[in-house]
Amino acid sequence: QKEVEQNSGPLSVPEGAIASLNCTYSDRVSQSFFWYRQYSGKSPELIMSIYSNGDKEDGRFTAQLNKASQYVSLLIRDSQPSDSATYLCAVYFYFGNEKLTFGTGTRLTIIP
Amino acid sequence: GAVVSQHPSRVICKSGTSVKIECRSLDFQATTMFWYRQFPKQSLMLMATSNEGSKATYEQGVEKDKFLINHASLTLSTLTVTSAHPEDSSFYICSAETGVGTEAFFGQGTRLTVV
Repeated sequence: QKEVEQNSGPLSVPEGAIASLNCTYSDRVSQSFFWYRQYSGKSPELIMSIYSNGDKEDGRFTAQLNKASQYVSLLIRDSQPSDSATYLCAVYFYFGNEKLTFGTGTRLTIIP
Repeated sequence: GAVVSQHPSRVICKSGTSVKIECRSLDFQATTMFWYRQFPKQSLMLMATSNEGSKATYEQGVEKDKFLINHASLTLSTLTVTSAHPEDSSFYICSAETGVGTEAFFGQGTRLTVV
């Protein structure tokens, strides 16, 4: 069974601080990793994709991937109240289960 | 990013009737689209994978005769909820990939209420 695990939270972070969201996955051959943001009552929207080990930065967002540890994270710098949402980690598993598998999501609240 | 349009965004129907939801990829061709259901405060649940020109692949526990999926073109997939009941009330979301292993882009979702 291919799995993606996230801490469901809620995670509360003061405005202006760094929010750190973590995700682990079960399959060593996974090559594609994504972070989605979902506001309440809305559909998910893509924030970041990462395909190789290391860091990838896009504005206030940084995705970090460590394939050896099967771990992917998302850092949000200078957190804003508008960042309050559920963040979904998604992993594309290959070989027998070629589809995007989502974690259950981490609910993030930015406290003004 | 790529644009996926889903329609309608909200629908209310009577118990026993059928409802069709459309999912379109507006600026790319999608050989594969996905249909999800999400209950309040719960995670996305994949219902089925829709493949252009072939039968959909349903996840375990999803009734294929109740949730009819048609993917007649590279830009359109439809989900029909047949003989809807109040327990089918949920948030239905489609997504499409631009390629195997690449990002999936989501439609706006359809809030279905069966009364």
